[in-house]
Amino acid sequence: AQKVTQAQTEISVVEKEDVTLDCVYETRDTTYYLFWYKQPPSGELVFLIRRNSFDEQNEISGRYSWNFQKSTSSFNFTITASQVVDSAVYFCALGNRDDKIIFGKGTRLHILP
Amino acid sequence: KAGVTQTPRYLIKTRGQQVTLSCSPISGHRSVSWYQQTPGQGLQFLFEYFSETQRNKGNFPGRFSGRQFSNSRSEMNVSTLELGDSALYLCASSPDYGGRGRGLYFGPGTRLTVT
Repeated sequence: AQKVTQAQTEISVVEKEDVTLDCVYETRDTTYYLFWYKQPPSGELVFLIRRNSFDEQNEISGRYSWNFQKSTSSFNFTITASQVVDSAVYFCALGNRDDKIIFGKGTRLHILP
Repeated sequence: KAGVTQTPRYLIKTRGQQVTLSCSPISGHRSVSWYQQTPGQGLQFLFEYFSETQRNKGNFPGRFSGRQFSNSRSEMNVSTLELGDSALYLCASSPDYGGRGRGLYFGPGTRLTVT
């Protein structure tokens, strides 16, 4: 069975600090996909990134970076120099080729001014 | 391009009634997925449709059903509503099968309250 664990339910940091959101996944499949989504206070989930299981290269997009490590089954998300607009609930998700995409419970991130 | 639209946005129903929720995907997207979001359970998968065929189904009772039309629009129906069905129902579309390639694009959701 597939599983996604986001152990951090809620994090608060002061603006401009760096913050890392953890995601640990479980799957028996060799081909799978990992995702991060953001749900701002307005409520609409926004797709941030997708990674497939064969691509362990880390990715950076502006202040956002993602660290995928198959050895530890983790796909962590770091926000550098956080801003108030980064306040949201962040979800990690996992899907394989034929089954549903499942989501973790989410991490609520508060960026304090 | 217009985003995913869901109607209605808010709904209040009484226990035992039934409800139909509608989703219009982004133009050109053939895949539609439905999720139920609650504070306790988070995002739980309901169904996934691709080109009018149900490809996957979550662990929900038979009271929950859905369908997809030839224009990719989708509906989900919940019969014999229970208090526990109160939730935000999210629809997501994608150009590929289930969002695995390019992610899911979510609508604003339908907030269902069962009294």
